[in-house]
Amino acid sequence: AQSVTQLGSHVSVSEGALVLLRCNYSSSVPPYLFWYVQYPNQGLQLLLKYTSAATLVKGINGFEAEFKKSETSFHLTKPSAHMSDAAEYFCAVSDGAGGSYIPTFGRGTSLIVHP
Amino acid sequence: DTGVSQDPRHKITKRGQNVTFRCDPISEHNRLYWYRQTLGQGPEFLTYFQNEAQLEKSRLLSDRFSAERPKGSFSTLEIQRTEQGDSAMYLCAQTRGTGTEAFFGQGTRLTVV
Repeated sequence: AQSVTQLGSHVSVSEGALVLLRCNYSSSVPPYLFWYVQYPNQGLQLLLKYTSAATLVKGINGFEAEFKKSETSFHLTKPSAHMSDAAEYFCAVSDGAGGSYIPTFGRGTSLIVHP
Repeated sequence: DTGVSQDPRHKITKRGQNVTFRCDPISEHNRLYWYRQTLGQGPEFLTYFQNEAQLEKSRLLSDRFSAERPKGSFSTLEIQRTEQGDSAMYLCAQTRGTGTEAFFGQGTRLTVV
């Protein structure tokens, strides 16, 4: 069964510092991987997705993620944090095991940005 | 705006009452999902439809929960005899097909008092 583990429920950075949010996945078949962002009382919005075309994926708002099969990881990074990046971030996996492709989400990481 | 709309945005109900939520989808997206999200957690899968067919249900979906998607268009999620543990954000999402990104509605926040 597919699953996602996000290490660290909270990550705190200073404005302008590197952002690194960690995600490890488990899947029995090649997966599709996603990062979403959620602002308070809102639904989730797609940041970026990996669909096997390229291992380094660029998304919106300066975020990018690298798929590393050997480490079963899909960590999210941004070179320089902005105050507006403060939000909840979710990693998700979707694979075809059993034919379902049901997106499965991690527990989320809250990004806190200090001035 | 993802194009997926949910109604109502907020619902406060007394324990034991029935509630119904609605999701209006993007017309060409044939897969529709319902998720539940509690504070500090990620979305948890409840059920999904491929067009009008309900293809899978999570063990989280007790017999007090029922979902429909008549004619493969809008969907409803009903909770009967609500309990305080049902308090959560209920999210509707759609995908165009397998392995594609999900488009989420803004959710319905249910509070059971």
